Amino acid sequence: GAVVSQHPSRVICKSGTSVKIECRSLDFQATTMFWYRQFPKQSLMLMATSNEGSKATYEQGVEKDKFLINHASLTLSTLTVTSAHPEDSSFYICSARGQGGYGYTFGSGTRLTVV
Amino acid sequence: QKEVEQDPGPLSVPEGAIVSLNCTYSNSAFQYFMWYRQYSRKGPELLMYTYSSGNKEDGRFTAQVDKSSKYISLFIRDSQPSDSATYLCAMSASSNSGYALNFGKGTSLLVTP
Repeated sequence: GAVVSQHPSRVICKSGTSVKIECRSLDFQATTMFWYRQFPKQSLMLMATSNEGSKATYEQGVEKDKFLINHASLTLSTLTVTSAHPEDSSFYICSARGQGGYGYTFGSGTRLTVV
Repeated sequence: QKEVEQDPGPLSVPEGAIVSLNCTYSNSAFQYFMWYRQYSRKGPELLMYTYSSGNKEDGRFTAQVDKSSKYISLFIRDSQPSDSATYLCAMSASSNSGYALNFGKGTSLLVTP
């Protein structure tokens, strides 16, 4: 089945620093990847849609300059949280749909804690 | 009104019980319906995928879609403690891989031994 590998699984960083999260589709090509954010006991909130070779599409209220998304290849998308602050602490998850597959496969998520 | 509504629970049942989880939605364009299971601090994993109305069964899990009522359900038979997790319904209007999913809030399920 389709597998999406997400790293790191957990990261703690100091306020003001930047953190990069990677998502790789291991056995399929992901033209589109989605980045979500999830607060405790809340649903997944779509942040942006990442398209290979083009600029990401951000949801309303998501700061483009803060959450930089790069999708340089069909198997890799990255989310960089720039100048992180404690309020950016959250669970970030990526997902993608394989060509001809059913449903969307999610990465294992990244727990970001900004101190 | 949110497009997808789901009771967050928590729902607590004894082992062996039949569990019923439900979602309602408002967008009649939704045609693809999914149920995901999410363990704490993990990414969601796909349990069931259905297209349009009808039933689909996979082992102890049965998914039902009633498009006329805009209502979907997931039934878990012979529930086990290992089924304890958050269950998220998700739906989409298109099978195009470029379409994001619309999620419910998730229902927290606890199956007690």
